[in-house]
Amino acid sequence: DVKVTQSSRYLVKRTGEKVFLECVQDMDHENMFWYRQDPGLGLRLIYFSYDVKMKEKGDIPEGYSVSREKKERFSLILESASTNQTSMYLCASSLAGVWNQPQHFGDGTRLSIL
Amino acid sequence: GNSVTQMEGPVTLSEEAFLTINCTYTATGYPSLFWYVQYPGEGLQLLLKATKADDKGSNKGFEATYRKETTSFHLEKGSVQVSDSAVYFCALSEDGGFKTIFGAGTRLFVKA
Repeated sequence: DVKVTQSSRYLVKRTGEKVFLECVQDMDHENMFWYRQDPGLGLRLIYFSYDVKMKEKGDIPEGYSVSREKKERFSLILESASTNQTSMYLCASSLAGVWNQPQHFGDGTRLSIL
Repeated sequence: GNSVTQMEGPVTLSEEAFLTINCTYTATGYPSLFWYVQYPGEGLQLLLKATKADDKGSNKGFEATYRKETTSFHLEKGSVQVSDSAVYFCALSEDGGFKTIFGAGTRLFVKA
């Protein structure tokens, strides 16, 4: 069965810290995505990647960066965490080559910045 | 640009009631349409999809029909259960692309 695994379910960090969120998928998917989910705003795309070492900005990339050194792993980095980055973060992956493929999601990381 | 608008929640129903969650979209091309469900403490999972006009997606008793003339993709279920309590997201996949645009989500509570 398809599996997207996020390294932490809950994370508490301090303002100014560098924070790493990890995501691994076992489906050999080319595309991977990072979203943040906030009440009333739905899912907003932060970054996505369609191949190893490739990355594209989503709708809200400010304050974030990403890394994709291997096909199965996509990391989200908060360079200097701020309180307005407190949120639920969701990782997803999808198959390339067919345009109507659904995305497969991890269970999310609830991040609190104090 | 493309967008998805869905009815605000929460929606509260009694068990066995009929469910409708409205979803409308704006798109320049011919998108695929999806409904995702998020159960408490979990990520989103695909509930159903439709890829062209007049297609009906269905799964677990839920249905939605791709209506191009009204740019709608309303989710329906004839008889809800307590276990259907979750957040439901309408989404579209841009024509020819792989990005997905999500609605804000509608929380459903079903009472026994």
